[in-house]
Amino acid sequence: DAKTTQPPSMDCAEGRAANLPCNHSTISGNEYVYWYRQIHSQGPQYIIHGLKNNETNEMASLIITEDRKSSTLILPHATLRDTAVYYCIARKAAGNKLTFGGGTRVLVKP
Amino acid sequence: AAGVIQSPRHLIKEKRETATLKCYPIPRHDTVYWYQQGPGQDPQFLISFYEKMQSDKGSIPDRFSAQQFSDYHSELNMSSLELGDSALYFCASSPSSQETQYFGPGTRLLVL
Repeated sequence: DAKTTQPPSMDCAEGRAANLPCNHSTISGNEYVYWYRQIHSQGPQYIIHGLKNNETNEMASLIITEDRKSSTLILPHATLRDTAVYYCIARKAAGNKLTFGGGTRVLVKP
Repeated sequence: AAGVIQSPRHLIKEKRETATLKCYPIPRHDTVYWYQQGPGQDPQFLISFYEKMQSDKGSIPDRFSAQQFSDYHSELNMSSLELGDSALYFCASSPSSQETQYFGPGTRLLVL
């Protein structure tokens, strides 16, 4: 699976949108971009995933660049409960495991 | 909605003892994955099963073994426990090996 690169940490104001970047310059055509988050020692929580097109669900939006080398997860209205480590993961369609690496520690401040 | 169930949630063992962790996947999910997360580390993939057969293997020690049963639940057996095995162990399940994985709450293992 392609390596992903994320900033180690970022702060966000409560009620504002949080934009989390992820670089995956070596991603291959059959690899999806998955986002999970982990709230202190809880099980990782699935957020969203996409291949080429932008995606939106009740939790977040995923914007993938046309060349697929980077993506941005958008939390539209961050709340204190969104404080977590966010992981961007490239995963083959026929792949099995998730490879967690680093992630971005997001702190939502009042 | 039903989620992945793991038991026990907390476990304390002595060095050289054995431990068995259980995972009950979301109903109608046939694929199960195990991950280990040491203190301050990211989750690391251990092993996975699809339709009761091992489908992928990661950095799982030889002292550990796992299986998936006919009702799709899975057990992770850990023998000759070492202090370094103290970690959170997560189980995840998916409807098939190609689909989104959903994680359980984890089992916190402490080896003394």
